[in-house]
Amino acid sequence: TQLLEQSPQFLSIQEGENLTVYCNSSSVFSSLQWYRQEPGEGPVLLVTVVTGGEVKKLKRLTFQFGDARKDSSLHITAAQPGDTGLYLCAGDYGQNFVFGPGTRLSVLP
Amino acid sequence: DAGVIQSPRHEVTEMGQEVTLRCKPISGHDYLFWYRQTMMRGLELLIYFNNNVPIDDSGMPEDRFSAKMPNASFSTLKIQPSEPRDSAVYFCASSVTQGAGEKLFFGSGTQLSVL
Repeated sequence: TQLLEQSPQFLSIQEGENLTVYCNSSSVFSSLQWYRQEPGEGPVLLVTVVTGGEVKKLKRLTFQFGDARKDSSLHITAAQPGDTGLYLCAGDYGQNFVFGPGTRLSVLP
Repeated sequence: DAGVIQSPRHEVTEMGQEVTLRCKPISGHDYLFWYRQTMMRGLELLIYFNNNVPIDDSGMPEDRFSAKMPNASFSTLKIQPSEPRDSAVYFCASSVTQGAGEKLFFGSGTQLSVL
């Protein structure tokens, strides 16, 4: 059983479109992180959210932490081919971070 | 900074052979993590160290896996004997704090293929 669920599993869109991916759990996190992983490389941290309801923006990426700190979303505006990759969420369960299975995003030119 | 350095990048071996993966964390980081990534199971934590001491090895699949951190700048993950089901990408990551706001820095991984 996955502690963290991510949806959709795969997403293929055209350049310029908007998209939202989700990270859900039945557990409460003290913090949650989003990473992006490109082929042949390790995950790279994008953002950490800590407070319930928190919204953070990173250029065209908007991250939101749910009020109950059990879920999170990542919204990308006007996606570009450079956004292609595996998006992973990771929840802090106090001793270490547990990763979700990821959303594999492909942005076609 | 060079980041987390892992070697080798690729390893192909035959079933039954010993495999040793190496990691050099970022200087000054006091936590080191070993993860395994497969399509079926995603990114799984195997073991992590704090100040060179193993803290949680509950993710290590079985006794064939062992990890050491003899000093702050070096860690190894050993599989003996290796099996085809061990084929995966193994990542090492380091961080300087734990808890809210912790940042994990990953290496580029070792792609292991056991034939």
